[in-house]
Amino acid sequence: ETGVTQSPTHLIKTRGQQVTLRCSSQSGHNTVSWYQQALGQGPQFIFQYYREEENGRGNFPPRFSGLQFPNYSSELNVNALELDDSALYLCASSHRTGGTGELFFGEGSRLTVL
Amino acid sequence: GQNIDQPTEMTATEGAIVQINCTYQTSGFNGLFWYQQHAGEAPTFLSYNVLDGLEEKGRFSSFLSRSKGYSYLLLKELQMKDSASYLCALRAAYSGAGSYQLTFGKGTKLSVIP
Repeated sequence: ETGVTQSPTHLIKTRGQQVTLRCSSQSGHNTVSWYQQALGQGPQFIFQYYREEENGRGNFPPRFSGLQFPNYSSELNVNALELDDSALYLCASSHRTGGTGELFFGEGSRLTVL
Repeated sequence: GQNIDQPTEMTATEGAIVQINCTYQTSGFNGLFWYQQHAGEAPTFLSYNVLDGLEEKGRFSSFLSRSKGYSYLLLKELQMKDSASYLCALRAAYSGAGSYQLTFGKGTKLSVIP
């Protein structure tokens, strides 16, 4: 059973640029969520995808967007990057039915915006 | 909305017992989670409570009182490898949209000293 994998692990962008982060869900999981974790803070919910549709969104502007593909992998896109977007971006997968619905996190993509 | 409070930092001695508290206010409740996060790594699931009482899992136990908006994580026989951040997270009441989003606290950084 493969875990959640994310790419890239680290990247540096400049203000105004766009970035795409990728995530492969854990085998058998059909729901993927994205979280932003600033230094010294807990993760903050960005949005969640189920059956290729967004079905929950946190307090993030529309320049944060995402996709889920038929194989349950996902992308997070951020446009018009701002300095405050510098953070660890975590992808988490879960199974919508059964169990506790606990989240399984990937190692994250650390984004630095200069 | 939801609000979660937990201590920022704690220090405990190897072999000892430590209790990390979490208090919360929420308009809906569908479970409380504890995650462990080592520096630079992904959060990993520790425990889940949805009913009042104590859940025990090896050296780790978690307690929940829904009427008091209170939970704690108890770590016994502390080991150096337990040095990490411990995140308390709430899941809001099931909305019917299938959203399993979690609201995290800022985390408690535990340092285990010899």
